[in-house]
Amino acid sequence: NAGVTQTPKFQVLKTGQSMTLQCAQDMNHNSMYWYRQDPGMGLRLIYYSASEGTTDKGEVPNGYNVSRLNKREFSLRLESAAPSQTSVYFCALWPPPLGASYNEQFFGPGTRLTVL
Amino acid sequence: GDSVTQMEGPVTLSEEAFLTINCTYTATGYPSLFWYVQYPGEGLQLLLKATKADDKGSNKGFEATYRKETTSFHLEKGSVQVSDSAVYFCALSRGFKTIFGAGTRLFVKA
Repeated sequence: NAGVTQTPKFQVLKTGQSMTLQCAQDMNHNSMYWYRQDPGMGLRLIYYSASEGTTDKGEVPNGYNVSRLNKREFSLRLESAAPSQTSVYFCALWPPPLGASYNEQFFGPGTRLTVL
Repeated sequence: GDSVTQMEGPVTLSEEAFLTINCTYTATGYPSLFWYVQYPGEGLQLLLKATKADDKGSNKGFEATYRKETTSFHLEKGSVQVSDSAVYFCALSRGFKTIFGAGTRLFVKA
């Protein structure tokens, strides 16, 4: 997953606490995405950003905010965490790195979040 | 809207067995189709893809054929290994939006 970093790797929160998940890329790609992965539900898109300064809602945006202040970074904020937000969060890029032969999305390693 | 349905798991096989994981999709037009694999503790990575009808994607012994007439993209491997144990996701893509299936967990026993 070189080129896409996510911090933190693990986090435990109490209900009502806030936190920001960070995603940073050094691949100079315009589009960045936040997904959540839950058992039996695959990946669901929370928000995406087609370019610096623009963001759009995905399938499950409620309870989240995002910020794309520059091309490299796309952050996901939970203002008041709830147990239903316990999940694994993945950041992804599109299009893929230059020289890649496929037009797939390129994923970061994930952040595992538990809300008690 | 577009959707992807894949067989529920877990699927448990013995080493060297034949693998099929079914995937069907609902979409207008001709989206690109993908199989991603997720190993424990990691993010998703592309396994194979196909961009038009009758295309066959292949990688690491895995194959899948884009069947427009049956709207399917089933994943197959002739002889699985323990190292193939992972979660497999079928997905379709139109440009910058990708829709994923729920994932199928595969366990391969030695």
